[in-house]
Amino acid sequence: NAGVMQNPRHLVRRRGQEARLRCSPMKGHSHVYWYRQLPEEGLKFMVYLQKENIIDESGMPKERFSAEFPKEGPSILRIQQVVRGDSAAYFCASSTSGDTQYFGPGTRLTVL
Amino acid sequence: AQSVTQPDIHITVSEGASLELRCNYSYGATPYLFWYVQSPGQGLQLLLKYFSGDTLVQGIKGFEAEFKRSQSSFNLRKPSVHWSDAAEYFCAVGARKTSYDKVIFGPGTSLSVIP
Repeated sequence: NAGVMQNPRHLVRRRGQEARLRCSPMKGHSHVYWYRQLPEEGLKFMVYLQKENIIDESGMPKERFSAEFPKEGPSILRIQQVVRGDSAAYFCASSTSGDTQYFGPGTRLTVL
Repeated sequence: AQSVTQPDIHITVSEGASLELRCNYSYGATPYLFWYVQSPGQGLQLLLKYFSGDTLVQGIKGFEAEFKRSQSSFNLRKPSVHWSDAAEYFCAVGARKTSYDKVIFGPGTSLSVIP
């Protein structure tokens, strides 16, 4: 049973470009969570999604950030017009209903 | 809302020595509690979790943690540390919110192991 998969593992973008981060949950998991980890800091919750629905986006910046989890395919975290402050590691986790979250390896975004 | 503190930012221990990493939480009801480990450049791996029942929880890699409600603590322990245990350790608390668990992570404790 494959774990949570994230791609790309490393992503480099110039200021103003768009970044798309993908997350495929573990088989049988319908809940996806996105977290951001800044250097030397812990994980900050961004958004929680179930299939085709955003359940809690209280941790998402109001502008430039969006997330989706379509009926088919991976969950996508999209960052438009990236700025240097967006440089961080972005982690996806998945779970079954009301259970433990399992994490992917993360995507490390660098904005030049 | 729940919160988590990890009082020790960085700890150094000798290989073979015992280890205790502290975690304190704040939550109005019985929480769900987790410890995760993160090696450099890697994702988070679940070490152990407490949902209910026995307050002493056994995890992987020889780790254990004890839930103490009176102290609002969930400290992680290992009797003999190995060099490969050097990593970042995160305590997390989950709260049942409507239909899901919102998990809040502590700031982490960085563990160094010296030969």
